Amino acid sequence: NAGVTQTPKFQVLKTGQSMTLQCAQDMNHNSMYWYRQDPGMGLRLIYYSASEGTTDKGEVPNGYNVSRLNKREFSLRLESAAPSQTSVYFCASIQESNYGYTFGSGTRLTVV
Amino acid sequence: AQRVTQPEKLLSVFKGAPVELKCNYSYSGSPELFWYVQYSRQRLQLLLRHISRESIKGFTADLNKGETSFHLKKPFAQEEDSAMYYCALKGGGYNKLIFGAGTRLAVHP
Repeated sequence: NAGVTQTPKFQVLKTGQSMTLQCAQDMNHNSMYWYRQDPGMGLRLIYYSASEGTTDKGEVPNGYNVSRLNKREFSLRLESAAPSQTSVYFCASIQESNYGYTFGSGTRLTVV
Repeated sequence: AQRVTQPEKLLSVFKGAPVELKCNYSYSGSPELFWYVQYSRQRLQLLLRHISRESIKGFTADLNKGETSFHLKKPFAQEEDSAMYYCALKGGGYNKLIFGAGTRLAVHP
């Protein structure tokens, strides 16, 4: 009964390095989302996937790419990390008939 | 523009005092609003949704379309209510949520 699983939980990157944040859900949800959480700014949508095989930009997509590998998995990639991408990243999923998101536990990323 | 405003970054109260966390929204259609809570070292979880008109952990929230508000209320705060609270608006299709900046509630003994 895992829900939404994110890996890693913590990561430190040097400026210019790349990495992929992984997200998987076992609830057979159609839609998945990536948000970043910054103090004083709440959660802002980076990318989302309304269904398997589709992805779209959210509010703050610059510097990120995503892949909806299958219905379960939705990954977020930073090609060339910048200090401005230091944040906590949350993955979430939802079924069409369910109004509430299920969130992962988050990835705390620091870019130095 | 679709927007959610939570004017207070921090709300500090004593145990047993009433609590009201403010949320105002801007949305041209018929809004769907939610409150999410994040306890220390835990993931965000849904607390309330206006459509269900429920009371969870003693909290209630009423949608006031005239004032474009969805304030979260509890008559008697408990220490375990200390957490970060986010108001969210469903907008832009595909179940996307627009979050406010959040209010940290601190309940002191």
